[in-house]
Formats: sequence, structure tokens, C-alpha cells
Amino acid sequence: NAGVTQTPKFRVLKTGQSMTLLCAQDMNHEYMYWYRQDPGMGLRLIHYSVGEGTTAKGEVPDGYNVSRLKKQNFLLGLESAAPSQTSVYFCASSYSRHVGEQYFGPGTRLTVT
Amino acid sequence: TQLLEQSPQFLSIQEGENLTVYCNSSSVFSSLQWYRQEPGEGPVLLVTVVTGGEVKKLKRLTFQFGDARKDSSLHITAAQPGDTGLYLCAGAGNAGGTSYGKLTFGQGTILTVHP
Repeated sequence: NAGVTQTPKFRVLKTGQSMTLLCAQDMNHEYMYWYRQDPGMGLRLIHYSVGEGTTAKGEVPDGYNVSRLKKQNFLLGLESAAPSQTSVYFCASSYSRHVGEQYFGPGTRLTVT
Repeated sequence: TQLLEQSPQFLSIQEGENLTVYCNSSSVFSSLQWYRQEPGEGPVLLVTVVTGGEVKKLKRLTFQFGDARKDSSLHITAAQPGDTGLYLCAGAGNAGGTSYGKLTFGQGTILTVHP
């Protein structure tokens, strides 16, 4: 079991460029989440999905889009990167919408210059 | 909007000392988790508390959920250098709500234990 994996691990973008972050989980979890982590701010939810083909906005969705075409994959896209999107991005998955226990990937460190 | 205030933000102690991290909110949560994160890695779940007043122990770590399910604490006894890391509390949902497992995270406590 690999758990939750994320690619790439690091990325540097120039302002205005686009990219897609890939998250994959092999635990057959229904729920998946994308967070960003900035110093002193904990983790903030960008978008989430409650099942294949569904997505919903989280706390800080502006500038990001997501897709969940397959149950095991959750993609996060940046259409036109901005320096304010420099952050560490984490994907997580969960088996229960009630208890809330989440399993996290190793993160992607993104720098936008 | 649910908020979780975590304190202190930084904690630097000597090996063998005890410490407590607090997580407070004005909102009621259906459950609360504590995670530990090391540099360059994702958060790893330590414990989930669900019942008001619940106390859970994990070796030298003791977790408590407040009676009203609005606050929680993490106490570490005889801290060791291996305990160094970022500790995050996270609350799930609210009583009677449909949260889809979404978590509200505290800002985190950076713990450094010196040998």
C-alpha cells in the first residue's frame, strides 16, 4: 500500500504559467481534499470531493480548479499562477465523512516567481 | 466559520520536561484530531477524540477533549528530542451538521526538544 502519493514533489513556475498537481490514493477512500499550508496559518482547504465525478469549494478556492474523474485520483490545477500561490500543497483522503480522520500525501512545494 | 486557536505557537524545551499544547474554539466539533508533521512530510494522524471529556493516552502523550467538545489539549510527559515537530489540532464538522469530513485546522505548534 502506497497510501496517498503526490506528484511532483517540487515545482517552480513563472507568473502566468499553468500546471496540474496529481494526487493518487490506493485505499479506496471516497473523500479527497486539497490543502495549502503557509507559515503560521495551519492548513487551509482549497477544494474537496465526496466521490468520483464530484467536487466542491473549500475555504480558499480562488485561482484553483479540480477534477475527480477516477475515484483514486484528485487533480488540482492552477490556470494562471500568481506569486500568492507560492505554498506547500497537500492532498488527503478519508474513508468517513463523520469522523474526519484524514491521510495525507507528502506534499508539493510550489514556488511562483 | 469555525475557528481553532492553538497555543502556544512555538515551544522550545529541554529533554525530560513536560509540556501542554492547547486548542480552543467557540464552536462545537463532532470530533477532534491531533496530527504531527515533520519537515518535508505530510501530517500524520496521532489520535481522534469523539466524546466530550474523553481522555486518550498514547505512550507519553495524553489527549483530552473538553466536556463541551469545543477544546482539546495535548500533554507530553518527559519530552524527548524525537518529539520535535509541528503539532496540529483539527476539528471535524459540528453537532448535527453535514461536513463531508472537512477539517478546520489550528495554526500549529512548533515543538523543539533539546537534548
